[in-house]
Amino acid sequence: QKEVEQNSGPLSVPEGAIASLNCTYSDRGSQSFFWYRQYSGKSPELIMFIYSNGDKEDGRFTAQLNKASQYVSLLIRDSQPSDSATYLCAVSKQGAQKLVFGQGTRLTINP
Amino acid sequence: EPEVTQTPSHQVTQMGQEVILRCVPISNHLYFYWYRQILGQKVEFLVSFYNNEISEKSEIFDDQFSVERPDGSNFTLKIRSTKLEDSAMYFCASSGDRGDTEAFFGQGTRLTVV
Repeated sequence: QKEVEQNSGPLSVPEGAIASLNCTYSDRGSQSFFWYRQYSGKSPELIMFIYSNGDKEDGRFTAQLNKASQYVSLLIRDSQPSDSATYLCAVSKQGAQKLVFGQGTRLTINP
Repeated sequence: EPEVTQTPSHQVTQMGQEVILRCVPISNHLYFYWYRQILGQKVEFLVSFYNNEISEKSEIFDDQFSVERPDGSNFTLKIRSTKLEDSAMYFCASSGDRGDTEAFFGQGTRLTVV
């Protein structure tokens, strides 16, 4: 079982719609959850982090965490073509330094 | 806005040669990391560094790798004898006062071993 699992996509969403990205993790000791955006050939860019169960909103982005189901998601509202990228889910344990990444979901927003 | 900077952006080296990848973390951050991403694969943790010593390392980070903070600003990754399979993007990252808080990545160094 992979530590962090994401659907690799590609996920295709029309402009203006909601994009929903999902991630599951296997280690119940995971405490911190991050979403990074990575454009092709570029470095991961942090867009959201969430530590507690529930929803966290930041502009057009909402992260959702359900520790009981070991599931974290990212919603992007009013999707724009510039949101087209690979979205990486990453988790870490409390007090641990390393991030464990999923393989990423490639998102394409169609104008 | 503070950022992590890496040099060089691209390094080509011959197999068996030593390379040093350089990073300047965000100035008030305390934790420093190296990750790598082989083309088409996921981002993988190599090593974390805190209080002038390695705090965690992965199985990838074997004896041919070393890290150093030679002064108050730079953080380096040395690969002693490069192999073809070391070809990858190497990302430096830093985070603040706790290791499990948000980490910010540099733009990466693309290492090509020929």
